Amino acid sequence: AQTVTQSQPEMSVQEAETVTLSCTYDTSESDYYLFWYKQPPSRQMILVIRQEAYKQQNATENRFSVNFQKAAKSFSLKISDSQLGDAAMYFCASSPPMNYGGSQGNLIFGKGTKLSVKP
Amino acid sequence: GAGVSQSPSNKVTEKGKDVELRCDPISGHTALYWYRQSLGQGLEFLIYFQGNSAPDKSGLPSDRFSAERTGGSVSTLTIQRTQQEDSAVYLCASSRSSGSYNEQFFGPGTRLTVL
Repeated sequence: AQTVTQSQPEMSVQEAETVTLSCTYDTSESDYYLFWYKQPPSRQMILVIRQEAYKQQNATENRFSVNFQKAAKSFSLKISDSQLGDAAMYFCASSPPMNYGGSQGNLIFGKGTKLSVKP
Repeated sequence: GAGVSQSPSNKVTEKGKDVELRCDPISGHTALYWYRQSLGQGLEFLIYFQGNSAPDKSGLPSDRFSAERTGGSVSTLTIQRTQQEDSAVYLCASSRSSGSYNEQFFGPGTRLTVL
């Protein structure tokens, strides 16, 4: 079974600074996807970035980038030039590909990191 | 286009009562997931629907929980004889379910409080 661990319940960053959120995972699968989701107070989960395990290149989406260390099973999220709107809960998640070993593609989530951004 | 919608937004009920939570997925999305988010926890998978196939119920915590999906679209999650530990946010997600990767689009959730 897959597990996802986020060891930082809360983090804080100064506006315009950079912050890194940690995530480790455990899986016996050879192929899988990794995700970071943002959940603002509105409760709606928003996909921030995803990484395919077979791709060595780290994914990047504007100010968001990941550091994917497959051997260490680590998947951290870096937010550059932090903005007040980045304040939210951030969840790391994994899933096997659809129809891989009978997978339905359901997501396995960590417990989240609450990010505060100070003006 | 419209996103995933859920109703009600909030539900307060008394212990022992039955509740129904509704999810309207994005039009054309064949896959639908229910997750539960308890206080201070990540999301826990409950059930998965794919088209007209039998659902994957492997995540349901007890036989008090059930779900159906009518016409491959709207889904209802029913909790019978609610208990205080059922208090949580219930999130629904849908996806196209094509290819090996499916981005799941989430609704705003229903916050259930059992008194």
